[in-house]
Amino acid sequence: AQKVTQAQTEISVVEKEDVTLDCVYETRDTTYYLFWYKQPPSGELVFLIRRNSFDEQNEISGRYSWNFQKSTSSFNFTITASQVVDSAVYFCALSEALSGNTPLVFGKGTRLSVIA
Amino acid sequence: KAGVTQTPRYLIKTRGQQVTLSCSPISGHRSVSWYQQTPGQGLQFLFEYFSETQRNKGNFPGRFSGRQFSNSRSEMNVSTLELGDSALYLCASSLGGRDFGTEAFFGQGTRLTVV
Repeated sequence: AQKVTQAQTEISVVEKEDVTLDCVYETRDTTYYLFWYKQPPSGELVFLIRRNSFDEQNEISGRYSWNFQKSTSSFNFTITASQVVDSAVYFCALSEALSGNTPLVFGKGTRLSVIA
Repeated sequence: KAGVTQTPRYLIKTRGQQVTLSCSPISGHRSVSWYQQTPGQGLQFLFEYFSETQRNKGNFPGRFSGRQFSNSRSEMNVSTLELGDSALYLCASSLGGRDFGTEAFFGQGTRLTVV
C-alpha cells in the first residue's frame, strides 16, 4: 500500500531562517514519482517539483532544495532564507506506476508560518 | 495560458440536496482528476477522467459521480448530501498520456458547505 507521512503538522520560523519539511513515503513499486505542492490561503495547489524513483540527484531551485534518499524513503524539502510569502501549507505526494497514471496520494501537509 | 477553472467557488447546500461542480482544464489537457480536501482526512482522490472515460476511481460511495465532456471539461455530482461532504473540492488537469507522473495543475477549488 502506498502512504505518505509528513510528521510535522505545523512549523513556525522567523524570516530568513532555513527550514526543512520532512516527507517519508511507503510504496511496494520500484517505479514511482514524488511531488511537492504548495497551498497558499487562496486554495489552489501549486506544483513545486516532481522527482522519479530512478533519479536520486538533489535539486536546487533558487531558495528551494530537495533531498531524495531512497535508502530512507524520504524526500525532504528545504527553504533557505525563508520569507513571509513562503507561509502556506506544503504537501508531499506519491504516484505509483503500477497501472500507468495513478492518482496522487498526499501526506497530511505541513503548515509553515514565516514570521517577519 | 489560462489555468484550471472551477465553478462555483463557494456553495452552501442543505442535507439531502444534490450538487454539481464544474471544472475546465488547461487547454490541451485531456485528464481531469477530482480530490476532496477536509481537515480530518486531508486530500483524497475521488476519480479521474481521460477522454470522456473514467480511468481511476477512489474509495468514495456511489453518491459521488462525475463525467467528462468531449472538450475535456468535467463535472462532478454529489447526490443526497451529508454534513460530512462539506469540503474543498479540487480539480486537477494534466496532459494525461501514458507517461505517468505528469505534473497536475490544480484549480482554486469549490468550497462546499452542507448545512
